Amino acid sequence: QSVLTQPPSASGTPGQRVTIFCSGSSSNIGSNYVYWYQQFPGTAPKLLIYRNNQRPSGVPDRFSGSKSGTSASLAISGLRSEDEADYYCGAWDDSLSGYVFGIGTKVTVL
Amino acid sequence: QVQLQQSGPGLVKPSQTLSLTCAISGDSVSSNSAAWNWIRQFPSRGLEWLGRTYYRSKWYNDYAISVKSRITINSDTSKNQFSLQLNSVTPEDTAVYYCARSGSYGNNDFDIWGQGTVVTVSS
Repeated sequence: QSVLTQPPSASGTPGQRVTIFCSGSSSNIGSNYVYWYQQFPGTAPKLLIYRNNQRPSGVPDRFSGSKSGTSASLAISGLRSEDEADYYCGAWDDSLSGYVFGIGTKVTVL
Repeated sequence: QVQLQQSGPGLVKPSQTLSLTCAISGDSVSSNSAAWNWIRQFPSRGLEWLGRTYYRSKWYNDYAISVKSRITINSDTSKNQFSLQLNSVTPEDTAVYYCARSGSYGNNDFDIWGQGTVVTVSS
């Protein structure tokens, strides 16, 4: 099982706001930056959010990240059909001296 | 434009060694700000970071505890590439293997990924 906990699925209708939560511990999210990745079937993951809440160039501002204590969240506002994908959170873990991922959340646009 | 091109066999027999290479274009394996990682994705969709190599006046390697006894990541500056070797593989090592760069936006941001290599461990 993954060190970071995410719900396996989330859904919403077009235009809605969907929030995905990622729960960790003091050794990972509690003391390090959180990153979010988006993945479509058959392709490599794509960096969506870095350093908790920063967007790389080209990522729409509909995507936003936040962190509080040992939890983090990714919000997708104005949900679109093209947002249907898997979303993973990740962070460095000081106890494991390695990078850890969540299990991934599959977002479905109804 | 940075690109990573992976190569290596897609089928490995149990107990043998899995070997993959990641060729870098548009950046340098000896970069003082980047790290070069291997990550795998199991059929269940879960992602696992395997390890990384990076240069900061000398070469460093970090490996995931789960594979530490079986993994080696090397760099080849003459070919501007890095490689993964995973020994004594079992069917549980069946996964899509990715190489990825980190360091553009922090220390642990995987911003550039290879195309992925499907590796099946089977006799």
